[in-house]
Amino acid sequence: SQQGEEDPQALSIQEGENATMNCSYKTSINNLQWYRQNSGRGLVHLILIRSNEREKHSGRLRVTLDTSKKSSSLLITASRAADTASYFCATDVGDSSYKLIFGSGTRLLVRP
Amino acid sequence: DVKVTQSSRYLVKRTGEKVFLECVQDMDHENMFWYRQDPGLGLRLIYFSYDVKMKEKGDIPEGYSVSREKKERFSLILESASTNQTSMYLCASSTPLGAGGSYNEQFFGPGTRLTVL
Repeated sequence: SQQGEEDPQALSIQEGENATMNCSYKTSINNLQWYRQNSGRGLVHLILIRSNEREKHSGRLRVTLDTSKKSSSLLITASRAADTASYFCATDVGDSSYKLIFGSGTRLLVRP
Repeated sequence: DVKVTQSSRYLVKRTGEKVFLECVQDMDHENMFWYRQDPGLGLRLIYFSYDVKMKEKGDIPEGYSVSREKKERFSLILESASTNQTSMYLCASSTPLGAGGSYNEQFFGPGTRLTVL
């Protein structure tokens, strides 16, 4: 089964609104990462939060991490049509320095 | 900027053909990965390599093999393509967790959409 599971699977909002996506995972982690994928393209790394951090910001992105609940959220504020993409969380496997396990993603549609 | 390139964006092959997918990265990364991506299943790891000539199976290695003869190049081989290998194939590279302060974020190529007829 997937280490990371995103919720919701799909999200449709109006431009200017905030978008929140959630990710749950199962095992201990060193860090949790969020990636973005435009349709038919490769993934692009957005932001990383370490296991000892609770919140992190980058531009219009805000990520939170609750290790007690094994969950994370990605908030995109003041969304734009260009934010339309799929968003994936990825967690490392606690004892591995190589591998990441990706969830199945949230498809975000921002309507102009 | 890290650049990961894949040899083809689109590829159409026939059942039973041997297929080579090439990936090259220019950042001297130790780790390289091959994933396949299918609707509703997310990214699934096929193989990864943490050094030249070293490889480890991922979650779905059956029907695939890999080759890493040089640090910058990681090839995925479909020995005898089948229709159930029609998919988007993504290559990625990274440095190990903690190496030089890195946090093992992965850098992806643009993907190869393979269709097996």
